[in-house]
Amino acid sequence: NAGVTQTPKFRILKIGQSMTLQCAQDMNHNYMYWYRQDPGMGLKLIYYSVGAGITDKGEVPNGYNVSRSTTEDFPLRLELAAPSQTSVYFCASSPGTGYSPLHFGNGTRLTVT
Amino acid sequence: EDQVTQSPEALRLQEGESSSLNCSYTVSGLRGLFWYRQDPGKGPEFLFTLYSAGEEKEKERLKATLTKKESFLHITAPKPEDSATYLCAVQERAAGNKLTFGGGTRVLVKP
Repeated sequence: NAGVTQTPKFRILKIGQSMTLQCAQDMNHNYMYWYRQDPGMGLKLIYYSVGAGITDKGEVPNGYNVSRSTTEDFPLRLELAAPSQTSVYFCASSPGTGYSPLHFGNGTRLTVT
Repeated sequence: EDQVTQSPEALRLQEGESSSLNCSYTVSGLRGLFWYRQDPGKGPEFLFTLYSAGEEKEKERLKATLTKKESFLHITAPKPEDSATYLCAVQERAAGNKLTFGGGTRVLVKP
């Protein structure tokens, strides 16, 4: 049971570099999310998707982009990385029906220096 | 704007010493309140969903309760393996499936 898989686990970027955080789920969930978690702070929603081809902004979308070409994959793109994007990034998925809880991956720890 | 505040930020307990964590929230219409457990280096793991005031859910040494303004997570006779960060999140009726999280309570249970 893989669930939600995130790669890489760790990454160090230099200011101005770009990268893509990968997220894949094998539960056939329609809804997928990207959150960031800073120390002592709650998780903040970056982007979410309710199905393939549909994405929408969350609370903190600036500096990020997403795409959803398949049900399984929901990559997060960082363009022109900045120190403020140093954080732990979590991808999550849910069936989207009723009061379904979110299932989270184990995160990507990103440092921008 | 939805607000979720958890207290205390950190809690140190002796094994067997029961305690409660608080999650206070302000939303215009609560669809559900979720409790998650997060271990270091891992993603949050779902514990409970509460839907309406007066509801209670239990799992092993954990019991979650809900009022119109707050939720409590009671830890009864905790063991060291209960050490984790506990996160509370609310889902507003108008916000679809999106969750708004509190800052979490770090619980350390010493043997």
